[in-house]
Amino acid sequence: AQKVTQTQTSISVMEKTTVTMDCVYETQDSSYFLFWYKQTASGEIVFLIRQDSYKKENATVGHYSLNFQKPKSSIGLIITATQIEDSAVYFCAMREVSSGSWQLIFGSGTQLTVMP
Amino acid sequence: EAAVTQSPRNKVTVTGGNVTLSCRQTNSHNYMYWYRQDTGHGLRLIHYSYGAGNLQIGDVPDGYKATRTTQEDFFLLLELASPSQTSLYFCASSEGGCERLFFGHGTKLSVL
Repeated sequence: AQKVTQTQTSISVMEKTTVTMDCVYETQDSSYFLFWYKQTASGEIVFLIRQDSYKKENATVGHYSLNFQKPKSSIGLIITATQIEDSAVYFCAMREVSSGSWQLIFGSGTQLTVMP
Repeated sequence: EAAVTQSPRNKVTVTGGNVTLSCRQTNSHNYMYWYRQDTGHGLRLIHYSYGAGNLQIGDVPDGYKATRTTQEDFFLLLELASPSQTSLYFCASSEGGCERLFFGHGTKLSVL
């Protein structure tokens, strides 16, 4: 069964620094998709970035990038030059391809606080 | 930007009550989902659908029914609400099964 684990419950960093949030996943599937979402203090959930398992290059969008280590079943989210407004809860999620269920399984989230 | 609208935003009911949560998306997405969010559990999938009339069971379906009446509308039904169903409910949609999800703003449900 697929599973997504985020062991960091909360992280605090200073503004303008770089932070990495960890995520490990379990799957029997050889093909899958990995996502990161952000939930703001207002409760809004937005998509940030995606990594396809067959791609070796790490995805990058703006000041978000991924550290995809397939042998370790790990997909870390890196935020560079953090800003106050990056304070939020970040969720890692995975979707298998061949299982046919199209389910997106989420981790429990990491609360990021960016301090001035 | 995809629009997903949930109603109501807040709902209070009593144990044994009947509740319907509504979700409408206006971007012609095929896939729609209902999640619940509880502290320490993240988002857990209740039901999902890949088209009108289609319904698939998620990870935590017990006590919930769902119905997809049109491509736009997806409803979550709690016919005998229990306090354990007190939660924050999110509806989401996606164009394809492997595409990004667009979320609604959530419905806070309290079952007393």
